[in-house]
Amino acid sequence: AQSVTQLDSHVSVSEGTPVLLRCNYSSSYSPSLFWYVQHPNKGLQLLLKYTSAATLVKGINGFEAEFKKSETSFHLTKPSAHMSDAAEYFCVVRTNYGGSQGNLIFGKGTKLSVKP
Amino acid sequence: EPEVTQTPSHQVTQMGQEVILRCVPISNHLYFYWYRQILGQKVEFLVSFYNNEISEKSEIFDDQFSVERPDGSNFTLKIRSTKLEDSAMYFCASWREGNNEQFFGPGTRLTVL
Repeated sequence: AQSVTQLDSHVSVSEGTPVLLRCNYSSSYSPSLFWYVQHPNKGLQLLLKYTSAATLVKGINGFEAEFKKSETSFHLTKPSAHMSDAAEYFCVVRTNYGGSQGNLIFGKGTKLSVKP
Repeated sequence: EPEVTQTPSHQVTQMGQEVILRCVPISNHLYFYWYRQILGQKVEFLVSFYNNEISEKSEIFDDQFSVERPDGSNFTLKIRSTKLEDSAMYFCASWREGNNEQFFGPGTRLTVL
């Protein structure tokens, strides 16, 4: 069975400092992994996705994530936090890789706070 | 840019009442999904739908739930007799083959009193 574990429920950084949101996955085959962001009272927006191409994936708003098979990790990073990055971030794995269904399994989320 | 839309944005209902949540997926997408997020908890898969039938459902999706694509554009989630614990944000998503991204709607917040 596939799953994702987000190691921190809450991360707080100062504006202009780096962001690191940690995610570990469990999958019996090469997974498709995603990071979604949810701003308060908003829907889910895709930040980036990994689908077995380059292991370093660049997303929107300066975010990137690195797929590390040896560590079963897919951590999300950003060099310099902005106030507008304050939101909840979800690490997600897709089931049935290569299949037609592709249901998503979400982590519990990490709430990112950015201090001025 | 095409997007998934959902109506209403907020629905308040009494326990035991039926509710229908509506979604309009992206027009050339053929796979449709419902997810829910209870306040403070993670997003959970409910059901997937393809070719006018359910392709997969979670254990949450019991006999009180049903989905339908009544016409060429809408995709609905019906809860037959709502319970307090059905209070959640419900997200619709759609997908097409060849694209690895599920596109989510903005969600419907359901409050059961």
